[in-house]
Amino acid sequence: ETGVTQSPTHLIKTRGQQVTLRCSSQSGHNTVSWYQQALGQGPQFIFQYYREEENGRGNFPPRFSGLQFPNYSSELNVNALELDDSALYLCASSSSRVNTEAFFGQGTRLTVV
Amino acid sequence: TQLLEQSPQFLSIQEGENLTVYCNSSSVFSSLQWYRQEPGEGPVLLVTVVTGGEVKKLKRLTFQFGDARKDSSLHITAAQPGDTGLYLCAALRGAQKLVFGQGTRLTINP
Repeated sequence: ETGVTQSPTHLIKTRGQQVTLRCSSQSGHNTVSWYQQALGQGPQFIFQYYREEENGRGNFPPRFSGLQFPNYSSELNVNALELDDSALYLCASSSSRVNTEAFFGQGTRLTVV
Repeated sequence: TQLLEQSPQFLSIQEGENLTVYCNSSSVFSSLQWYRQEPGEGPVLLVTVVTGGEVKKLKRLTFQFGDARKDSSLHITAAQPGDTGLYLCAALRGAQKLVFGQGTRLTINP
């Protein structure tokens, strides 16, 4: 059984640039959620995708957007990067829309300079 | 204001000691989860507690859900260096959103 994988593992971008982060969900899972974890904090919910549709969104501006593909993999896009966007971005997959058991990837560490 | 308040935020103890960390809220939850996160990794689910007063054990780890389902605790007996990590509690808000506490960073010194 393949776990949740994220790419890249580390990334450095300049303020104002755009970034795309990728996530492959665990085999058999149709739901992907994205979280932002700032240094020293717990993860914060960005949004969830279920069967290619956004299925809930946290308190993040529209410059955070996403996609889910027919194979249930997902992308997180962030436009107009700000210094405060520097964080660990985590993807979690689950077998249903109700996140009773979510499996997290190792994360992408994004640094905005 | 954090929905879930974890305490302490940092804890450093010697191998073999016992410890308890707490997760508190003023809200009632249908369930609460505990995760452990190691550096460079994503959180890994340890346990889900569902019923008020429920106690679950995972080897040397004991998890308890408060009677009123507003708080939870994690007790570790005879801590080992392998227990070092960030311990996070989380609750489901709506069907899809996990809300996390800020975590307790635990260090077990040999």
